[in-house]
Amino acid sequence: KQEVTQIPAALSVPEGENLVLNCSFTDSAIYNLQWFRQDPGKGLTSLLLIQSSQREQTSGRLNASLDKSSGRSTLYIAASQPGDSATYLCAAPNAGGTSYGKLTFGQGTILTVHP
Amino acid sequence: NAGVMQNPRHLVRRRGQEARLRCSPMKGHSHVYWYRQLPEEGLKFMVYLQKENIIDESGMPKERFSAEFPKEGPSILRIQQVVRGDSAAYFCASSPPTGGVVAGANVLTFGAGSRLTVL
Repeated sequence: KQEVTQIPAALSVPEGENLVLNCSFTDSAIYNLQWFRQDPGKGLTSLLLIQSSQREQTSGRLNASLDKSSGRSTLYIAASQPGDSATYLCAAPNAGGTSYGKLTFGQGTILTVHP
Repeated sequence: NAGVMQNPRHLVRRRGQEARLRCSPMKGHSHVYWYRQLPEEGLKFMVYLQKENIIDESGMPKERFSAEFPKEGPSILRIQQVVRGDSAAYFCASSPPTGGVVAGANVLTFGAGSRLTVL
């Protein structure tokens, strides 16, 4: 059974800082791993998807890495802005089976970027 | 490309009533997943459906909850005789048709969610 843990639970930083969000998972036999953003009262927005064959994926100021052997992924946000304030969720699929979209989510990191 | 459409966005029910939440998947997607986010908890998988078939309902509570995805129309998550503990945000997600992971079968697009409040 897949378990996903995110650290820290909350993070408050001044604008402009570079920051790292951490995600760990217990079952490393995964196809890929996804990072999502959730704004208060809103749905989920997919940020990055890293395939198991990749080590990292970049989109703008975001960079996500994946180390299957250690069961870890990190999301790096460069030059943070107040608009980055949201909850960031890491999700790993359950290894095996055919319910491919059966994801296990971490509890999330609540990020606050203050001006 | 309207994305995944969920309605209603907000639903208020009294204890004992029924709640019906609807989800229209993204165009071209034939797989639907329902997730629940309880207050102060993470998102939890509930059920995975394809047209006219329930594939995996291992996350569904054993009683009062049911889901369907008919040949025509949206997927429906039904909660009968709601209780206060059912108050949560219910999210629907869809993914492309068969082809496995290589074809992106687990790359989910989420809807905005339906927030159920039970009084």
